[in-house]
Amino acid sequence: GENVEQHPSTLSVQEGDSAVIKCTYSDSASNYFPWYKQELGKRPQLIIDIRSNVGEKKDQRIAVTLNKTAKHFSLHITETQPEDSAVYFCAASIYGGSQGNLIFGKGTKLSVKP
Amino acid sequence: GAGVSQSPSNKVTEKGKDVELRCDPISGHTALYWYRQSLGQGLEFLIYFQGNSAPDKSGLPSDRFSAERTGGSVSTLTIQRTQQEDSAVYLCASSLLGREQYFGPGTRLTVT
Repeated sequence: GENVEQHPSTLSVQEGDSAVIKCTYSDSASNYFPWYKQELGKRPQLIIDIRSNVGEKKDQRIAVTLNKTAKHFSLHITETQPEDSAVYFCAASIYGGSQGNLIFGKGTKLSVKP
Repeated sequence: GAGVSQSPSNKVTEKGKDVELRCDPISGHTALYWYRQSLGQGLEFLIYFQGNSAPDKSGLPSDRFSAERTGGSVSTLTIQRTQQEDSAVYLCASSLLGREQYFGPGTRLTVT
């Protein structure tokens, strides 16, 4: 089955710097890669997602890149702000098929220092 | 509109007791998922319902865990003979087929 590895487990940056979180997946059939942000004590919320037919997607300060050949994808946050501090999870899925569940990485705790 | 809701928000139970956790998905969402999040860990898939199809139970950790979804809407996750290692936050999510998953607030289960 699918396995998702996520690095680093913790990341500390200064406000205004960029943050990059990387994930690798094992199942070449996976075609949907969402990123969730989870603030302390709250539910995970989708911040951006990418499908295997594109290599990059951007939404304001957040971007995701996908390399299908290498089976890895990354989250990029530019101009970080203290409110970006949270745990970020990557996930992979075979989108639209009978297997709808997400396989998650173990998360990255991002701390943005003012 | 209303999001995914779960009840109870917190549940403390004694080892060996049975518990039932409830999930109300977003109206019209055909897919419903249960995940488990242990302290400081990622989300572990448990079970997936899609419409009237047989559920995907491949993530259930043992036969003490079961779930049902009545009328294609509300779902109940049941844990029998709870053990301390069952302590975790149980998250429910729902989606339209092949679309973004929306998570509920979770039920924090503590087994003493």
